[in-house]
Amino acid sequence: QKEVEQDPGPLSVPEGAIVSLNCTYSNSAFQYFMWYRQYSRKGPELLMYTYSSGNKEDGRFTAQVDKSSKYISLFIRDSQPSDSATYLCAMSSVGGAGSYQLTFGKGTKLSVIP
Amino acid sequence: DSGVTQTPKHLITATGQRVTLRCSPRSGDLSVYWYQQSLDQGLQFLIQYYNGEERAKGNILERFSAQQFPDLHSELNLSSLELGDSALYFCASSPRLADTGELFFGEGSRLTVL
Repeated sequence: QKEVEQDPGPLSVPEGAIVSLNCTYSNSAFQYFMWYRQYSRKGPELLMYTYSSGNKEDGRFTAQVDKSSKYISLFIRDSQPSDSATYLCAMSSVGGAGSYQLTFGKGTKLSVIP
Repeated sequence: DSGVTQTPKHLITATGQRVTLRCSPRSGDLSVYWYQQSLDQGLQFLIQYYNGEERAKGNILERFSAQQFPDLHSELNLSSLELGDSALYFCASSPRLADTGELFFGEGSRLTVL
């Protein structure tokens, strides 16, 4: 079983739809949870960052963490064509020598159709 | 623009060869990370340097090595290249050793091994 599982999609939705992206994980040591967005031919960029279980909202984006179920979600409201990208979940735990190691999901490719 | 610069953007080489990828982190960032991204494996952590010292190692092959120089730029050396080494190689930086997840990625170096 991989540490982080993410459905690769692709996911295609009409403009204005609500999008739900999910990841599950198996490592209880993960403490911090993130969503990165990666546009084609670009590097990933941090979109959302959460620590505790619960919801965190930022504009049209809501990140949800359920540590008891080892499940995280990203919701995008009123999706726009500019949201078309690959979304990667990421989780971190303490690594060696005091550093943190990020483990990424494989990413879900999202297309928002005008 | 994340502020992280990677060169070259594209590289085509033959099996058995050696290449060097270069990364300049954001101004003031002391940590540099190298990641490999392929379609089947997703984003895989290779190695982390902090202020010139190796601090964490991931799934880095023995044929690969890296270093961080006094001016904080970093190089990833890939030798005895195999077809399977074809991938996107990303450099990321962050200000501190123990950043819990906010990394700033460059645009990547696309390596093709023929």
